[in-house]
Amino acid sequence: GALVYQYPRRTICKSGTSMRMECQAVGFQATSVAWYRQSPQKTFELIALSTVNSAIKYEQNFTQEKFPISHPNLSFSSMTVLNAYLEDRGLYLCGARDRGVDERLFFGHGTKLSVL
Amino acid sequence: SQWGEENLQALSIQEGEDVTMNCSYKTYTTVVHWYRQDSGRGPALIILIRSNEREKRSGRLRATLDTSSQSSSLSITAAQCEDTAVYFCAHGGSGNKLIFGTGTLLSVKP
Repeated sequence: GALVYQYPRRTICKSGTSMRMECQAVGFQATSVAWYRQSPQKTFELIALSTVNSAIKYEQNFTQEKFPISHPNLSFSSMTVLNAYLEDRGLYLCGARDRGVDERLFFGHGTKLSVL
Repeated sequence: SQWGEENLQALSIQEGEDVTMNCSYKTYTTVVHWYRQDSGRGPALIILIRSNEREKRSGRLRATLDTSSQSSSLSITAAQCEDTAVYFCAHGGSGNKLIFGTGTLLSVKP
């Protein structure tokens, strides 16, 4: 079956520092990966959509300078939160799509970011 | 409706009852996804319904899609405690984006 592993599950960083999270697709080819941030109230914000062999598209209020993303192959993607502050707290989720299937996203468990 | 609301909605029902959750959307879409998210986990797709399908069933789940009113619903028949989760509708946006609603927290009590 199609699985997405995301790590770390939880991370705590000091204000102003950076942290990197990784997303691994197993059992399918992740032709596109969407990175979301989910608030404690469960609201989703789309950060960016990365498609292999295409430019990464960031949503309004999110930039490459703040959330650089790498999607080097069909099984792996990573995102870094640079200079994290309190407003960056949340559950970061990667959702991967296998274009050979349909439009659904397979999600990992998420990386919960806390900032001190 | 999830996309019309700013906050997570909450529903509490007794085991064995039926429940329906609704979504309405503003932009044209040809497919609506329904996901459930259990505590501490990412969302998982439970039903995907397309514009040429007015209704879709999967076990005790039933989804509808009305493109004329731009709305979708998810019904659970004879809810069980393990149906307790947050349920999200999502629809495709421009450029293959998937836009999530605000979610419905469903609590099924024994």
